[in-house]
Amino acid sequence: NAGVTQTPKFQVLKTGQSMTLQCAQDMNHEYMSWYRQDPGMGLRLIHYSVGAGITDQGEVPNGYNVSRSTTEDFPLRLLSAAPSQTSVYFCASSYSVLGHEQYFGPGTRLTVT
Amino acid sequence: GIQVEQSPPDLILQEGANSTLRCNFSDSVNNLQWFHQNPWGQLINLFYIPSGTKQNGRLSATTVATERYSLLYISSSQTTDSGVYFCAVREAGGTSYGKLTFGQGTILTVHP
Repeated sequence: NAGVTQTPKFQVLKTGQSMTLQCAQDMNHEYMSWYRQDPGMGLRLIHYSVGAGITDQGEVPNGYNVSRSTTEDFPLRLLSAAPSQTSVYFCASSYSVLGHEQYFGPGTRLTVT
Repeated sequence: GIQVEQSPPDLILQEGANSTLRCNFSDSVNNLQWFHQNPWGQLINLFYIPSGTKQNGRLSATTVATERYSLLYISSSQTTDSGVYFCAVREAGGTSYGKLTFGQGTILTVHP
């Protein structure tokens, strides 16, 4: 049982490039989400999904796209990277959107130059 | 939205000392978790404790939901306990869509 996995661990992009951050979980969790962590801002919710085929926006969705074609995977796409997207990105999952324990992946450290 | 305040913001200890970290929240919650973010940036689940008391080795936590606070106790601290401790809550009801709201964290440094 690997829990929540994320790839890559580190990434450097140039402004305007696109990329996909991968997230997968093997716990059969329905709820998955993406956060970004910035100094002084804490962790903020980007997008979330309550099940395969269902996604919605969180607090800071601009510049990011998500899809959920399977229960296991929840990729985050940056369509045209900007320096303001330099951050550490965490994927999380839980059994449901209700008050269940959430588990976080190891994070992806992204730098946009 | 719900507000989460953690105290103290910084804590420096000698190895072997005990400590108490506090988390206050402004509204009813149906999820409260304590995390340890280690020096490598990983968020480690410590406790899922929307109410009551739990213990895991040298760590224990208590949440008094009616009074809107939670405490994390660390006994006989070790250098490996260093890092940032976060409290995170999910607001009960409303439209929080599963979002965890994090406190600003307590930075713990344990010296040998």
